[in-house]
Amino acid sequence: GESVGLHLPTLSVQEGDNSIINCAYSNSASDYFIWYKQESGKGPQFIIDIRSNMDKRQGQRVTVLLNKTVKHLSLQIAATQPGDSAVYFCAENGDSNYQLIWGAGTKLIIKP
Amino acid sequence: ETGVTQTPRHLVMGMTNKKSLKCEQHLGHNAMYWYKQSAKKPLELMFVYNFKEQTENNSVPSRFSPECPNSSHLFLHLHTLQPEDSALYLCASSQAGQANEQYFGPGTRLTVT
Repeated sequence: GESVGLHLPTLSVQEGDNSIINCAYSNSASDYFIWYKQESGKGPQFIIDIRSNMDKRQGQRVTVLLNKTVKHLSLQIAATQPGDSAVYFCAENGDSNYQLIWGAGTKLIIKP
Repeated sequence: ETGVTQTPRHLVMGMTNKKSLKCEQHLGHNAMYWYKQSAKKPLELMFVYNFKEQTENNSVPSRFSPECPNSSHLFLHLHTLQPEDSALYLCASSQAGQANEQYFGPGTRLTVT
């Protein structure tokens, strides 16, 4: 069936280093791929998205890369800060614009 | 208030109780969603409403009953729940047809005893 999955459930990164969170997807019909960040005690918060006709998109300190050949999505966070500690979810729209398919999430831990 | 709010933030209920979760969005959106978030599982979409009409019910047990009286409010009525229903229940909203831009509330942490 359709699925979006994470390669690593937990990622520990030294403060100041770059973080890379990976995601695999299976639905070639997806038009949008989205990254959400969920901090403790809060709901998920939109970070950045990318359309299927793009390979790369940059935001403030974050970059999303899309490799459609291998159905792979990644989120890169530059100069990781303590405030980046959270669970990061990837999602795709699949065949619909009315709901998303969610990955299991990767917990990012920042080491001082 | 701004954004998406949910009440209560925490709820403990027995298996024979009846309770309701409330969600309100102040973003002018016309689509609203209920999700269940359990530990170590992906977000599970439960219900979707577009323009107050339910457009998605992902095989949710009938002990969960949603209600959407208008585009700004969404309820989840709970009755005779099971301990495995304990989870974080998240509400989200978006413009209809733009599920990629959902805004989430803080969630209600539900514990069924």
